[in-house]
Amino acid sequence: KAGVTQTPRYLIKTRGQQVTLSCSPISGHRSVSWYQQTPGQGLQFLFEYFSETQRNKGNFPGRFSGRQFSNSRSEMNVSTLELGDSALYLCASSLASDRRTEAFFGQGTRLTVV
Amino acid sequence: DAKTTQPNSMESNEEEPVHLPCNHSTISGTDYIHWYRQLPSQGPEYVIHGLTSNVNNRMASLAIAEDRKSSTLILHRATLRDAAVYYCILIGNFNKFYFGSGTKLNVKP
Repeated sequence: KAGVTQTPRYLIKTRGQQVTLSCSPISGHRSVSWYQQTPGQGLQFLFEYFSETQRNKGNFPGRFSGRQFSNSRSEMNVSTLELGDSALYLCASSLASDRRTEAFFGQGTRLTVV
Repeated sequence: DAKTTQPNSMESNEEEPVHLPCNHSTISGTDYIHWYRQLPSQGPEYVIHGLTSNVNNRMASLAIAEDRKSSTLILHRATLRDAAVYYCILIGNFNKFYFGSGTKLNVKP
């Protein structure tokens, strides 16, 4: 079965612009989580969606937002980009929003802000 | 968020077992212990998880201390493909993962 698909794989944006990243979870999975990975901060949790509802949010400014559609696909948006937003953005999908289930990660979107 | 402590790096010889330790002294009774690994240029990959009892799967074994304040991931025969950063994570509510810095495993041929 197809894995988690993130698009685009690579992106270059200018400071001040906004960007939208997409994540298609594994078929049947209803939970999608987003993470930011940088060399300095490691992997940090952004937010989690389950059945179109945001269930949990990490410590990121309001410029970072997301949503989930009825087909479980999710988008993440970053407005007013800053140089420090350059990172690998990963999404993960799970069957349920449940600590007992495993998460499957995509390959990530590499965002570079110049 | 409950925190975990792992050694920054470990080294192993190919074909030998590897024991990767993790301390989680603040674990709560309902936290599950998950292990993921991340190969270079890839997203994290699920390895194994457990609550109280030791667990085995085709990839690894997870040994959980009786007081649950520590756990050990066991790779029975390390291969070069096992070289990765291994993360020990406690999952409490929903799917909020706190990754920590992980252990970078080097496997020598």
